[in-house]
Amino acid sequence: GAVVSQHPSRVICKSGTSVKIECRSLDFQATTMFWYRQFPKKSLMLMATSNEGSKATYEQGVEKDKFLINHASLTLSTLTVTSAHPEDSSFYICSANKRGGGYEQYFGPGTRLTVT
Amino acid sequence: GESVGLHLPTLSVQEGDNSIINCAYSNSASDYFIWYKQESGKGPQFIIDIRSNMDKRQGQRVTVLLNKTVKHLSLQIAATQPGDSAVYFCAENRYTDKLIFGTGTRLQVFP
Repeated sequence: GAVVSQHPSRVICKSGTSVKIECRSLDFQATTMFWYRQFPKKSLMLMATSNEGSKATYEQGVEKDKFLINHASLTLSTLTVTSAHPEDSSFYICSANKRGGGYEQYFGPGTRLTVT
Repeated sequence: GESVGLHLPTLSVQEGDNSIINCAYSNSASDYFIWYKQESGKGPQFIIDIRSNMDKRQGQRVTVLLNKTVKHLSLQIAATQPGDSAVYFCAENRYTDKLIFGTGTRLQVFP
């Protein structure tokens, strides 16, 4: 168990448009979901932490109006990149904690965003 | 500042040999550590974890060693296989939900 999916896996959008990325825990309820950004050959950078039904907590330097996070249920969180620009092109990865499962995070397969 | 880092950015090993990937952390308050494997274009995959009240934990072909005295974590992979080629990250937890990731080590396995 503990499968996390992301959709879409790849997306190309034009500069100025908005893109929504979904993160779902398929076989468990997630206490908390996390959104990371990863540049090529770099480590994962935590963007925000979200709990179901409450506002996301953003890391320092991450614009909350730029990266909108909605955590509608215990199995779904969405990240919307608003007014995307080429510098937003990156690999976005979500993860989730199991409810009652401690601190281990289960990661999704990632979404490659390219803004042209 | 506080960080989790790795000594070797790239490690090349011959198939069948053992691999050792190292990680240094700076916060003695960290109580939980995880090793993840990430293949190109994919999300991180859990390998093994260890709590601060242990100094060694073994899994299938993998062993994690924790030395709290020198704040050092290592991942040992026995009989390394081509499928082990990936980037390996250590991550630490400090009494919160958040994980702090190290910079990563690329493991290359050659025949």
